[in-house]
This record gives sequence, C-alpha cells and structure tokens, in this order.
Amino acid sequence: AQKVTQAQTEISVVEKEDVTLDCVYETRDTTYYLFWYKQPPSGELVFLIRRNSFDEQNEISGRYSWNFQKSTSSFNFTITASQVVDSAVYFCALKASSNTGKLIFGQGTTLQVKP
Amino acid sequence: NAGVTQTPKFRVLKTGQSMTLLCAQDMNHEYMYWYRQDPGMGLRLIHYSVGEGTTAKGEVPDGYNVSRLKKQNFLLGLESAAPSQTSVYFCASSPPRRLSTDTQYFGPGTRLTVL
Repeated sequence: AQKVTQAQTEISVVEKEDVTLDCVYETRDTTYYLFWYKQPPSGELVFLIRRNSFDEQNEISGRYSWNFQKSTSSFNFTITASQVVDSAVYFCALKASSNTGKLIFGQGTTLQVKP
Repeated sequence: NAGVTQTPKFRVLKTGQSMTLLCAQDMNHEYMYWYRQDPGMGLRLIHYSVGEGTTAKGEVPDGYNVSRLKKQNFLLGLESAAPSQTSVYFCASSPPRRLSTDTQYFGPGTRLTVL
C-alpha cells in the first residue's frame, strides 16, 4: 500500500522564523517520485518540487529547501525566514512507478505566518 | 497558453440534480485526472484517463462518471448529486506517458455545494 502522512495539521510561526513541514511516505516500489504542492488562500495548487527516488541530494531554491532521506522515508520541506506570503496549505504527494499517473496526497499542513 | 482550465468555478445544486464539470488543457498532455478535496483529507483521486477514449477509476469513483472524447477535454459528471458530493473538485493533467517523471499541473478548482 502507498501512503503519505503529514502529521502536522497546522503550524503557526512569526515572520522571519524558519519552519519545517514533515512528510513521511510508504511504498514498496523502488522507483517512485515525491512532490510538494502549495495551496494559497486563493485555492489553486502550485507545483513546488519533484524528486525521484534515485536522487537523495537535498535541494535549495531561494528560501525553500527539501531534505529527502530514504532511510527514514521522509521528504521534509523547510522555509527559511518565513514571510506572510508563505501562508498556505502545503501538500506532500507520492507517485509510485507502478501506480500509473496516480498521485497519493497527504492530508496537508496549514502554515500560518504572522507578521 | 492557459494551462488547465475548469468550468464552472462555483455551482450550487439541489439533491438529485445532475451536472457536468468541464476540464480543458492546452499543453498536449496525455494524462488527465479528477480529484476532490475535502477538509482534513487532502486530495483524493476520483477518475483518471491515460489517453483519449480511455478512463479508469481512482480511489473514490462512486457517484461519478467521466468521459475523454477529445485529448484536451476531460468531463466529470454527477448523475444524481448528493450532499456528500459537496467538495472542491480539481482537474489535473500531466505530460505524455514516456516521461515517467510526469508532474501534474492543476486547474483552479470548482467549488460545488449540494443542498
């Protein structure tokens, strides 16, 4: 079975704080892909990053960074120096190679950044 | 290039009424998907299509039907709406199947209320 767990339902931080959103996944496939999406208050889903199971290098994009660890089946997302515009719901998702096109989403983490 | 568009953006139905949600993409994507988003449950796959003329069931297909008569369009139908189908519906598409790392791009969503 494939599953994605985002244990943090809601996180509240003050602007400029760093915050890490956790994502733990389960799959028996050796080839799979992990994604993060952002859903701002306007409601659309914005693609942030894709990572395949063979690439464990961490990635940094501006204030965003992702830490992929196969040993713990985790794909955590850190926002450095958070800003009010980062307030959104963030979803982690899994696509296994055997699961034609299907994305399995976590429940989402609501991040509130207060000024 | 509009990406993925959805029609309508909002709709209110009475129990037992029928309706069709339209999804259109102009990216020549082969795969298309319909998800529903409910509070605390992330996104769940309703139906998907791996090409024109083909459809398949996702995680929560009951009460919905789909059709993919044209590559660029994916229709989601509710034959007899029920209050349990009150949700936000998202359509997504992804590139041709030979690109196994396909990323799904989402439409803006349709907010449906069934009274």
